[in-house]
Amino acid sequence: AQKITQTQPGMFVQEKEAVTLDCTYDTSDQSYGLFWYKQPSSGEMIFLIYQGSYDEQNATEGRYSLNFQKARKSANLVISASQLGDSAMYFCAMTHGSGNTGKLIFGQGTTLQVKP
Amino acid sequence: GAVVSQHPSRVICKSGTSVKIECRSLDFQATTMFWYRQFPKQSLMLMATSNEGSKATYEQGVEKDKFLINHASLTLSTLTVTSAHPEDSSFYICRAGGGFGGELFFGEGSRLTVL
Repeated sequence: AQKITQTQPGMFVQEKEAVTLDCTYDTSDQSYGLFWYKQPSSGEMIFLIYQGSYDEQNATEGRYSLNFQKARKSANLVISASQLGDSAMYFCAMTHGSGNTGKLIFGQGTTLQVKP
Repeated sequence: GAVVSQHPSRVICKSGTSVKIECRSLDFQATTMFWYRQFPKQSLMLMATSNEGSKATYEQGVEKDKFLINHASLTLSTLTVTSAHPEDSSFYICRAGGGFGGELFFGEGSRLTVL
């Protein structure tokens, strides 16, 4: 069975500094996708970044980068130059295979607070 | 990008009544719909998966007679919370699958409060 683990319930970061949010996963599948989502207090799910299991390069999207360590089964999110608007809940998630019709399971989430 | 519209965004109902939440894919055919429930400060938990024209598959522990899911068309899925109780108060969010590519499409979510 697939499992996603986020061990940091809450994190604080100073504005303009970088922060790493941890995510480990467990799966026996060879093909899977890893996602990070941001969820502000409004509840909407905002897509941040995606890493496919066969992607050799770490994914980057603007200030977001995903530190993909396949052998360790970790997919940490790095946010550089934190902004006050980054304060939100962050979820790591995983799908089986590619495409968008597979189940997406979520980690427990990490609440990030950016301090001015 | 594709848009998934979910409504109502907020609903308050009395205990014992039923509430219907709609999820529409606006510009692609949603062959699969996923429904999640999220309690405050917690993760999104998958409740059920439905394929267009088929009965939904419910996750373990989710009462299928209480959470009725209909996916009769490729653009619309509904979740009906029957005989709602205060413990059903939660944030419900849909995700539509289909179309091209691997992008994932979420609805905006519906916050249900049962009095």
